[in-house]
Amino acid sequence: DQQVKQNSPSLSVQEGRISILNCDYTNSMFDYFLWYKKYPAEGPTFLISISSIKDKNEDGRFTVFLNKSAKHLSLHIVPSQPGDSAVYFCAASLLQGAQKLVFGQGTRLTINP
Amino acid sequence: DTGVSQDPRHKITKRGQNVTFRCDPISEHNRLYWYRQTLGQGPEFLTYFQNEAQLEKSRLLSDRFSAERPKGSFSTLEIQRTEQGDSAMYLCASSSDRRTTYEQYFGPGTRLTVT
Repeated sequence: DQQVKQNSPSLSVQEGRISILNCDYTNSMFDYFLWYKKYPAEGPTFLISISSIKDKNEDGRFTVFLNKSAKHLSLHIVPSQPGDSAVYFCAASLLQGAQKLVFGQGTRLTINP
Repeated sequence: DTGVSQDPRHKITKRGQNVTFRCDPISEHNRLYWYRQTLGQGPEFLTYFQNEAQLEKSRLLSDRFSAERPKGSFSTLEIQRTEQGDSAMYLCASSSDRRTTYEQYFGPGTRLTVT
């Protein structure tokens, strides 16, 4: 079963506008959430994370929102830049034990000039 | 930090052959993970080491797969009698339990093609 889902395989946004990437999860025990960005032929690069005790975390152009009641998180990128074009993965973790990451399928973001 | 490194970056092998991949984590990181990623999917957890101890293995890790982390430094992942279904990107990640944040840092991956 897919515990973390990204239902949009792709998203196209104009440069300078806001990009919103969405992620849903089913396991209410998850208590830590992360977003990674991946370019072709490279490993995933950590972007931003949020603990389940918070509902928002901001780092520069990137903001992650967590809605625990809806089991939903989103990543906002403002303003979007051409270098943001990549595949974005959300991941969830349990802070107890191995802290292994459970990933969604990814969303390919394309920023158009 | 010099980052997580993996070797080789690409491996093409014939079905039935054995292959071994190496991962060098960030030097002060005591946690090391292996993941596998297939086309169109996110990475899937395979196994986890805390220092030299292998503490968790996914049921994805069949008995043809073995991983080691001698002395708690680099790690190797060996696949015996490779099958075409083993073709994937194998990713290594590391983290530290002495931080207050919990992100894992990934290497560039080893792309395995089994012909």
